[in-house]
Amino acid sequence: AQSVAQPEDQVNVAEGNPLTVKCTYSVSGNPYLFWYVQYPNRGLQFLLKYITGDNLVKGSYGFEAEFNKSQTSFHLKKPSALVSDSALYFCAVSVSGAGSYQLTFGKGTKLSVIP
Amino acid sequence: ETGVTQTPRHLVMGMTNKKSLKCEQHLGHNAMYWYKQSAKKPLELMFVYSLEERVENNSVPSRFSPECPNSSHLFLHLHTLQPEDSALYLCASSQTTGGYFQETQYFGPGTRLLVL
Repeated sequence: AQSVAQPEDQVNVAEGNPLTVKCTYSVSGNPYLFWYVQYPNRGLQFLLKYITGDNLVKGSYGFEAEFNKSQTSFHLKKPSALVSDSALYFCAVSVSGAGSYQLTFGKGTKLSVIP
Repeated sequence: ETGVTQTPRHLVMGMTNKKSLKCEQHLGHNAMYWYKQSAKKPLELMFVYSLEERVENNSVPSRFSPECPNSSHLFLHLHTLQPEDSALYLCASSQTTGGYFQETQYFGPGTRLLVL
């Protein structure tokens, strides 16, 4: 079984400061990792994904994430937070292989960027 | 965000009503999904359709009945729901190749359902 943990329900950061939203995962096999963002009353928007290759993945809106296989982590980062980044962030994992369609999500982390 | 649309955006229904949620994707994808999002809980995968065939029914009660008439449209028919079914229902689509579902899923805005 695969699982995702987002250990922080909420992260507060001052505008202009770097931000990190944490994610750890557990799968049997090679993981495919995703970050999504959800603004109030909206669906999930895709930010970035790791499939293979370079451990540092760059995505939309200046976000990036680093895949760390030994720590089974995929933390989301941004060098300088904006107030408009305030939203709910979800980490998700699936496993490679035919017929593997289960995308397992974490519970989400609410990011608040303080002006 | 207009790649996947959902209607209605909000729905209030009684426990004896029958209603349907509609999802349409304009991305040319061949797989579609229904998820349930409840407060304080992770997203729950309900159904998966690939090439209009259901490939997953994730232990969902029979009061939820999906329908996929073609690769662009997905419905969720609702009847005799319970108050605990109140949630945000999200539709998503992706492109699968040879049974591999690892491509990115794109989500619609959701239908906020309240069951009284």
